[in-house]
Formats: sequence, structure tokens, C-alpha cells
Amino acid sequence: EPEVTQTPSHQVTQMGQEVILRCVPISNHLYFYWYRQILGQKVEFLVSFYNNEISEKSEIFDDQFSVERPDGSNFTLKIRSTKLEDSAMYFCASSEAVGGGYNEQFFGPGTRLTVL
Amino acid sequence: DQQVKQNSPSLSVQEGRISILNCDYTNSMFDYFLWYKKYPAEGPTFLISISSIKDKNEDGRFTVFLNKSAKHLSLHIVPSQPGDSAVYFCAAANFGNEKLTFGTGTRLTIIP
Repeated sequence: EPEVTQTPSHQVTQMGQEVILRCVPISNHLYFYWYRQILGQKVEFLVSFYNNEISEKSEIFDDQFSVERPDGSNFTLKIRSTKLEDSAMYFCASSEAVGGGYNEQFFGPGTRLTVL
Repeated sequence: DQQVKQNSPSLSVQEGRISILNCDYTNSMFDYFLWYKKYPAEGPTFLISISSIKDKNEDGRFTVFLNKSAKHLSLHIVPSQPGDSAVYFCAAANFGNEKLTFGTGTRLTIIP
């Protein structure tokens, strides 16, 4: 069964450093997403990406964040200068289509980011 | 932003009995509701969904009920099995809008 994969599973970084989280969405999916879950809190939407551009972003997704699809398979989330409060589990998701039906998003296993 | 709420952080149910997980929402514009299940160290896994034009959707042991007037949905699992022990999230979406809005989750423990 196709699945979303994410690397690394755990990333530890120093405050102020840049990190890149990587995701390989399901191959025939067209929509890509990043969510995060701070420990003990709800899963929060960060950004959605379609046709090589951001289609929606939350207020969390400020100038420190960026996303990219550098090739036909990878989807990355970059945090330019990490803060302590960026420590969270980051989930990548992908879906076939939006609208006209339910928006079943398939999630990867997550990357745990720890900022020291 | 508490558009989707799950007021019970945890629930324990005997194996074989019915598990009922509840979710309330405040935004009447939501078109679609979904339930995800999450095991530790894994991503959320889609379970079942329901459109706002329906009041019930069933898939095997899982049934989701939607009460639009009360802005309430529930997930019924019957019979409950030990493998159902996980955190369950309800989520809501609008047609044509990619963002899923999640609740805080309910940890379900099935007691053998």
C-alpha cells in the first residue's frame, strides 16, 4: 500500500539553526500539506501546496517557514532560524484532490523536531 | 481557536463493548467531518468520514453520526477490540479548502 514517508524521524538542532524536513508524498497525489503537533496539543495546519505554489497557509507559517518541491518526488519544509517553540512533531500529508468530495489526507509518520 | 472540540481527553472501555467518542464544532460552515486514529510515533490514519448532507455513515465496526443542529458528531466502535486503543481525532473541512481543523483528541483504552 502506498504511503507517505518522512525523514529524519527525529531532528535535534540548536536555536537559530536552519532545519529542513523532508517528505515523499504518495506518487499520484497532487496536494501536499504540513501540519505540526506540539506535545499535548492538537494537530495544527501549517501550509498546503499545489501546482508548485502555496495554496493556503496558517498564521503559524510566517517568514521563517518555507516549502519547496525540489523534484518530482520530494516535498520539504524549511525553518530558517529555529526557535524553542518550534519543537514539535511535524507531519507531512498528501491527497489526490480537493473539492467535490471528502478531503482524505494521508499522513506520514512525522518528524520530531527538538530545538535546544 | 476552538472550532473543533473533543471534551473527553480519555475514555476506557471493556473489550467487546461499544466505544463512543464525541466531538463538537462551532463553525456551521464545515462541509465534511473526518475521524483519524493515531498510534504513538505514527501519523494520523484516516478512519471514516461524513458529509454534512448526511447524518450517518457506517464502515464495518465504525459508525459516525452527525447532528448538525447540535453541531455534534460521534464515532461509535462496536465491538471494541484491544487494537482500537489509540488517540482519536475528529477533524473538519470545507469543500474546496485543503485545511483540516483538528480537535484535541481522545485517548481510547480498551480493557481486555
